Amino acid sequence: AQSVTQLGSHVSVSEGALVLLRCNYSSSVPPYLFWYVQYPNQGLQLLLKYTTGATLVKGINGFEAEFKKSETSFHLTKPSAHMSDAAEYFCAVSAFSNTGNQFYFGTGTSLTVIP
Amino acid sequence: DAGVIQSPRHEVTEMGQEVTLRCKPISGHNSLFWYRQTMMRGLELLIYFNNNVPIDDSGMPEDRFSAKMPNASFSTLKIQPSEPRDSAVYFCASSLQVLNTGELFFGEGSRLTVL
Repeated sequence: AQSVTQLGSHVSVSEGALVLLRCNYSSSVPPYLFWYVQYPNQGLQLLLKYTTGATLVKGINGFEAEFKKSETSFHLTKPSAHMSDAAEYFCAVSAFSNTGNQFYFGTGTSLTVIP
Repeated sequence: DAGVIQSPRHEVTEMGQEVTLRCKPISGHNSLFWYRQTMMRGLELLIYFNNNVPIDDSGMPEDRFSAKMPNASFSTLKIQPSEPRDSAVYFCASSLQVLNTGELFFGEGSRLTVL
């Protein structure tokens, strides 16, 4: 079975500070991992994804995430927060089955950026 | 590409009325997902289709909910009769499932309010 746990439903950082959003997963098969961002009144959009290869993945808007198999983690980071980063962030894992892909989402982390 | 298109964007209806939400996936995508998002329950998968065939509808709340995908370019989610607890944002997402690497592309959502 696959699942995703996001630690911290709310995270506040000061503008210019490091952003760290935590995600741990469980998967019985090699996972594919995703981070999505949701701005108010919008759908989710892909920030970055890990499929295979390099474990440090770079995404849009200066975000990156590192796949650590030994820790079953896929934490999202950004060196310097910007006011426009305030949004809801979702971690997801994809698991293949003989009937196609299933996507499992975490409960989300709301990021507040303090000026 | 126009992305995933959902309609209506907003729907206000009275309890007992039928509601139909519509989705046009990205052309060429072979999987389609319906999600429901609420503050209390977060993002919930209702049903997903592969190649127009419903694969997993275990997330559909009850018999009042039904979903169809008559062809590769159109899907509907119907609620009949609607109840106030169905108030939520309903998202449609599509994906190209190739070797498990396809990410989800979300529509802007349909915000349903049942009075």
